[in-house]
Amino acid sequence: AQSVTQLDSHVSVSEGTPVLLRCNYSSSYSPSLFWYVQHPNKGLQLLLKYTSAATLVKGINGFEAEFKKSETSFHLTKPSAHMSDAAEYFCVVSGDGANNLFFGTGTRLTVIP
Amino acid sequence: NAGVTQTPKFQVLKTGQSMTLQCAQDMNHNSMYWYRQDPGMGLRLIYYSASEGTTDKGEVPNGYNVSRLNKREFSLRLESAAPSQTSVYFCASSIEWDSDTYEQYFGPGTRLTVT
Repeated sequence: AQSVTQLDSHVSVSEGTPVLLRCNYSSSYSPSLFWYVQHPNKGLQLLLKYTSAATLVKGINGFEAEFKKSETSFHLTKPSAHMSDAAEYFCVVSGDGANNLFFGTGTRLTVIP
Repeated sequence: NAGVTQTPKFQVLKTGQSMTLQCAQDMNHNSMYWYRQDPGMGLRLIYYSASEGTTDKGEVPNGYNVSRLNKREFSLRLESAAPSQTSVYFCASSIEWDSDTYEQYFGPGTRLTVT
C-alpha cells in the first residue's frame, strides 16, 4: 500500500532564507514521487517528479527534491524563499506504476517579508 | 488552450438536492479524474476514467456517479447531496492512466457547500 506523511502542516520562513518541506513515503513498489503546489483558490500545479532516474530532481521556480530510498524521504528544498512561494505544497506518491496518486495532507508555506 | 475547466466555481445545495459538476479538457488526454479536497486530508480520488467509455471507482466513490460523455468531458453527479459532501472538488486529466510518468493537470476546482 502507498502512503505519504508530510511532517509539517505549516512552515514559516523569512524571504530570502532557505525552504525545507519534509515528506516521508511508504510504498510496496518502486515509487514515483511528486511535489505539487496549490496557490490560494487555484488548482494544483506540478513542481517536480521523481521516476527512478536521477535521485536529485530539479523542478520549476528553483525548487529541488532528493529521493533517499534508505530514509524513505523526498524532501523539497529551495535555497532562497520568495514571497510568491507562499502556497500549499503536496507530496504525492503513485500507486503500482499507474497514474493513481496518493496525496499527503499538505504543508502550508508562509513567507514573511 | 484553456487546459482543464470546471463549472460551476461555487455552489450551495440543500441536503437531498442533486447537481452535476462539469469538467472539460482540451489537451486530447485519454484519462480524467475527480478528486475531493477536505481540510487536513489532502486530495482523495473519487472516480477516474482511464479512457473514453470506461470509468472506475477510486478511494471515496460512495454518494457519487460519473459520466465520461466523450473524450473531452467527464462529469460528476451528486444524486442526493449530504453535508458530508461539502468539499472542494478538482477535476484532472493526463495523457494515459497506465503510467505515472504522465503528469496530471488540474482544473481550478468547484467549492461545494451542502447545508
